Amino acid sequence: DTAVSQTPKYLVTQMGNDKSIKCEQNLGHDTMYWYKQDSKKFLKIMFSYNNKELIINETVPNRFSPKSPDKAHLNLHINSLELGDSAVYFCASSQRAGAYNEQFFGPGTRLTVL
Amino acid sequence: AQSVTQPDIHITVSEGASLELRCNYSYGATPYLFWYVQSPGQGLQLLLKYFSGDTLVQGIKGFEAEFKRSQSSFNLRKPSVHWSDAAEYFCAVGARGYSTLTFGKGTMLLVSP
Repeated sequence: DTAVSQTPKYLVTQMGNDKSIKCEQNLGHDTMYWYKQDSKKFLKIMFSYNNKELIINETVPNRFSPKSPDKAHLNLHINSLELGDSAVYFCASSQRAGAYNEQFFGPGTRLTVL
Repeated sequence: AQSVTQPDIHITVSEGASLELRCNYSYGATPYLFWYVQSPGQGLQLLLKYFSGDTLVQGIKGFEAEFKRSQSSFNLRKPSVHWSDAAEYFCAVGARGYSTLTFGKGTMLLVSP
């Protein structure tokens, strides 16, 4: 009965590869997010979707492409992985868009690029 | 643009002692303020939030926070810390009309026996 789930939990890959991280929420929320947490634990928003529509894109390289097939899923595809992409990626969801809405976070995906 | 400062990178507290984690924000109007906790290997969990009204808010796990507009602060407190409280704590600020939250860099809480 996990509210926000992500797969995989760990991802180790070589530079230049393409990889995807999947996120699903079973809360019936309209809005989903991707965050990147760097090695210093700094958490920064990357993207947000509301009802499958992109509403936030925070100056993320074009190599990152989110896709929302339905409002319960928000996947993150990364092309041509670089060393600097190594981080923990968190998916989150909220009932609606708007900063006053509580965000529920997934357990994170630790990406290591070698 | 809003910003959040958590001046303490890490704090060590003895089990049973009181705790205060500091958070200062920068925002022109009344912000939405949040405290989240991240246990090792886990995602973030909301402890409490402030939007308006009573400036002392109660949260889960015995935590509380006080909004002080004059000091632009939203400090998190707990009267008696338990070993299970050891975690990373993040303060976050949101603005009316925007969807994003701005997070502080976190404070790592260590609990000594």
